Amino acid sequence: ETGVTQTPRHLVMGMTNKKSLKCEQHLGHNAMYWYKQSAKKPLELMFVYSLEERVENNSVPSRFSPECPNSSHLFLHLHTLQPEDSALYLCARLAGGSQETQYFGPGTRLLVL
Amino acid sequence: SQQGEEDPQALSIQEGENATMNCSYKTSINNLQWYRQNSGRGLVHLILIRSNEREKHSGRLRVTLDTSKKSSSLLITASRAADTASYFCASVNAGGTSYGKLTFGQGTILTVHP
Repeated sequence: ETGVTQTPRHLVMGMTNKKSLKCEQHLGHNAMYWYKQSAKKPLELMFVYSLEERVENNSVPSRFSPECPNSSHLFLHLHTLQPEDSALYLCARLAGGSQETQYFGPGTRLLVL
Repeated sequence: SQQGEEDPQALSIQEGENATMNCSYKTSINNLQWYRQNSGRGLVHLILIRSNEREKHSGRLRVTLDTSKKSSSLLITASRAADTASYFCASVNAGGTSYGKLTFGQGTILTVHP
């Protein structure tokens, strides 16, 4: 049990839709992450939040907008996505103390039509 | 550029056999980790080896690290059908961030046939 939940688990949206992915954990963390996993590509780090402050944004298009309102929640707001944005989106937390191991949620499988 | 390269990309074995996966990286590291991912699910941490360690064991898992060759291997002994998954190495760069940034390899797809 990683202590990280993600909702929804599956999402189908049109290119003009606006949706949000939610990540939740209540075990504490030193950092939280959004990753994108596309077929036949390594995990791509999108955003990092450390203590609710965004510390890394890896050239992600502005149609992806992260939000970290508190230590338990992380959102990824989606707007006017493209079909190539279809992927598995994973949230992870960095365990406190050791600051070495990441714990992942189950992911949201996104399909953009 | 891709930090971690894994080899082989896919591995198919029979139950009971050993499975060996290799990973190479390009920069100096603080530690290297292996994760497992069942189809379409999140990643699960398996084992971590630090840059000053050469070998580490956890149950049926054995990880080696060769910093001179910038490579690591993961050995799963006496494999089971339930070991079928994708396996990823991920490295933390030396002198890196305070928030444990990981750079992932492309992964090895392991299939264990009953």
